[in-house]
Amino acid sequence: DGGITQSPKYLFRKEGQNVTLSCEQNLNHDAMYWYRQDPGQGLRLIYYSQIVNDFQKGDIAEGYSVSREKKESFPLTVTSAQKNPTAFYLCASISKYSSATRDEQFFGPGTRLTVL
Amino acid sequence: SQQGEEDPQALSIQEGENATMNCSYKTSINNLQWYRQNSGRGLVHLILIRSNEREKHSGRLRVTLDTSKKSSSLLITASRAADTASYFCATEETSGSRLTFGEGTQLTVNP
Repeated sequence: DGGITQSPKYLFRKEGQNVTLSCEQNLNHDAMYWYRQDPGQGLRLIYYSQIVNDFQKGDIAEGYSVSREKKESFPLTVTSAQKNPTAFYLCASISKYSSATRDEQFFGPGTRLTVL
Repeated sequence: SQQGEEDPQALSIQEGENATMNCSYKTSINNLQWYRQNSGRGLVHLILIRSNEREKHSGRLRVTLDTSKKSSSLLITASRAADTASYFCATEETSGSRLTFGEGTQLTVNP
């Protein structure tokens, strides 16, 4: 089955620790995205990457970092500099070339991060 | 910056009724998309309408786009309890590199 996986589903972090959220896709999509969602709210873009070894800041990049060493993987690190990291994190990918699903974002199941 | 704004924020209807949600946006777009999210889950793509299209159908879903008013509506006909979810509109601006999501409409369909 093709899709996007995120791990872990739930993550607990102590204040001052960095944590890394995993996002993997086997859809052969070029572009990948990380969003943050707070309760009852919409999605805010953290970082995105349109091609391997390249990524751009979104609207709320401060306190986060990413890497894109492989097409399939786009991990997100939540650093200790992020003041309020407790949230639901969603990863997505997109194909610009498929005629059937061009421009549609496919989402993973999300990771719920809680800072203790 | 928030591009899309959904209206209403919450909608409660009875099974079998139609549900209409609206989305307004501010800048020129390539396309507008609607997504659904069940509580605590990822988003699922429902339908995409491009800037040169005015109306699109998919099953019980009907989407309209009015680029002159910078607005879109999503109609769900003959709603079911399983349609209970949050619905988000998202716009792809003409730069083409990202989507911007609205705050969502929480739809509750009562059996």
